[in-house]
Amino acid sequence: EAQVTQNPRYLITVTGKKLTVTCSQNMNHEYMSWYRQDPGLGLRQIYYSMNVEVTDKGDVPEGYKVSRKEKRNFPLILESPSPNQTSLYFCASSYVSGIETQYFGPGTRLLVL
Amino acid sequence: SQQGEEDPQALSIQEGENATMNCSYKTSINNLQWYRQNSGRGLVHLILIRSNEREKHSGRLRVTLDTSKKSSSLLITASRAADTASYFCATDEGGSYIPTFGRGTSLIVHP
Repeated sequence: EAQVTQNPRYLITVTGKKLTVTCSQNMNHEYMSWYRQDPGLGLRQIYYSMNVEVTDKGDVPEGYKVSRKEKRNFPLILESPSPNQTSLYFCASSYVSGIETQYFGPGTRLLVL
Repeated sequence: SQQGEEDPQALSIQEGENATMNCSYKTSINNLQWYRQNSGRGLVHLILIRSNEREKHSGRLRVTLDTSKKSSSLLITASRAADTASYFCATDEGGSYIPTFGRGTSLIVHP
């Protein structure tokens, strides 16, 4: 089954404790991206990757890191989480770019205390 | 970056009625997409319409695009309770690979 998976689905952590949210897709997509969704603000893109070893900032990259060492995986790293990073995070992928059809993961709900 | 803005923010209708929601944007686009999100879940792609298209259909969904007015509409005909969800439009600025999502329209369909 074609899908985008994210782990963990729910995470509670404390300020400053490094964490990684994994994202994997099995559709051989070149493009992958991370979004955060906050009430009243819609979805905002954090980072995106056009292909292996190619990543770029989205609209709200501060406080986040990503890497794309393999085509299927695109982890999101929070080196020192802060409470303002409490949010619902989505990973997405598409064949070519974010302006074409994107397939979204189920989301990761993060609470930073 | 620009943001598609959906209107209305919330819509409540009875099963069987049609639901129309609109998306406006500020500058030129290549594509406009509509997505659905069930509560707390990932977005599901509904329809992509390109700037040279005026109308597209998919099942009970009809999307129109008016580039002169910089707006798009999503019509769901004969709505069902299962259509209850938030609907988002996503636009791209001409030449950009970064899509920009609006804040969404929350649709409630009462059985």
